[in-house]
Amino acid sequence: AQSVAQPEDQVNVAEGNPLTVKCTYSVSGNPYLFWYVQYPNRGLQFLLKYITGDNLVKGSYGFEAEFNKSQTSFHLKKPSALVSDSALYFCAVQEEDTGRRALTFGSGTRLQVQP
Amino acid sequence: EPEVTQTPSHQVTQMGQEVILRCVPISNHLYFYWYRQILGQKVEFLVSFYNNEISEKSEIFDDQFSVERPDGSNFTLKIRSTKLEDSAMYFCASSDGSSGANVLTFGAGSRLTVL
Repeated sequence: AQSVAQPEDQVNVAEGNPLTVKCTYSVSGNPYLFWYVQYPNRGLQFLLKYITGDNLVKGSYGFEAEFNKSQTSFHLKKPSALVSDSALYFCAVQEEDTGRRALTFGSGTRLQVQP
Repeated sequence: EPEVTQTPSHQVTQMGQEVILRCVPISNHLYFYWYRQILGQKVEFLVSFYNNEISEKSEIFDDQFSVERPDGSNFTLKIRSTKLEDSAMYFCASSDGSSGANVLTFGAGSRLTVL
């Protein structure tokens, strides 16, 4: 079975500072990994995905994520946080080559960027 | 930009009543999903639908749930006899299935409150 863990319920960071939101995953085979963001009263919006190749993937709004196979992690990062980045962030996994298309999501991490 | 639309945005119902949540996926998408998010908890997969039949379902998706694509544009989730624990935000999502890594586009959600 596939699973995702987001160990931090909330991350607080000052505007202009770098941010990291942590995610670890568990799958039997190779993973496809995703980050989504949820603003209040909105659905989840796709930020970025990892399929294969370069371990550092870049996505929307200046976000990037680093895939680390040995640590089974896919942490979300941004060099300089904005107040408007404050939202709920979800990591998700899909296992490659199983035919399953459903994503399994983590419990979410609330990012609070202080001015 | 194309979007997934969901109605109603909020529904309040009495325990034991039937509820139908409606979704209009993106027009050229082939895969459709329902997820739910109980307040403060993770986003949970319910069911996926492809080629007019259920392709995957979770343990949550028991006999009280059903899905239908009645007219080629709408995608509905029916809860036959609602329970208090069905209170949640229900998200519809769709994907085009063009790649193995499945990027989902989510609607804004339908909040169901069961009294």
